[in-house]
Amino acid sequence: SQQGEEDPQALSIQEGENATMNCSYKTSINNLQWYRQNSGRGLVHLILIRSNEREKHSGRLRVTLDTSKKSSSLLITASRAADTASYFCATGLRNNNDMRFGAGTRLTVKP
Amino acid sequence: EAQVTQNPRYLITVTGKKLTVTCSQNMNHEYMSWYRQDPGLGLRQIYYSMNVEVTDKGDVPEGYKVSRKEKRNFPLILESPSPNQTSLYFCASSFIADLSYEQYFGPGTRLTVT
Repeated sequence: SQQGEEDPQALSIQEGENATMNCSYKTSINNLQWYRQNSGRGLVHLILIRSNEREKHSGRLRVTLDTSKKSSSLLITASRAADTASYFCATGLRNNNDMRFGAGTRLTVKP
Repeated sequence: EAQVTQNPRYLITVTGKKLTVTCSQNMNHEYMSWYRQDPGLGLRQIYYSMNVEVTDKGDVPEGYKVSRKEKRNFPLILESPSPNQTSLYFCASSFIADLSYEQYFGPGTRLTVT
């Protein structure tokens, strides 16, 4: 069963705007990760946030984690057309060694 | 170059004809995993392996087998493929350190079973 659920399913913005995607999950986690996938290609790891962290930055990416609400958000600032892709959250579960992915958010950045 | 490779990249086969999709990584990762990706369902884990000779079921293991005889290789075996196994398959690998790890994904194998 899926652990993470991304919201929205699809997001369309203009270049230069910020994009925010959310992820909710159900059980206790060790960490939460965000991945990016260009159409039909393999996933690329973007950022990992541990369960004891609340916020993390990497370049134009900002990730927050609220374990009390079992949710995370990914913010992409000053978006570019090249950011067009699907974005997935994945949770590393506390009592398990597998990872669970959500269905993804399809982001379209219009030039 | 650090990478995860999968072969074949594309495969069309018929129901019941056994097939193997190979996966290899050159990063000395302990952890390897197989996923399938279907529209609207995201990635679902099929099997994973914590190390050589250690494998475990993921979310959707039915109809699949795996083996981990060497650290670098983690083949996915479909003994009797069926049309509902038509999907895009990804292999991934990672280190295991403090139970926090990022996964490196292969380029994917698009399988069609007719």
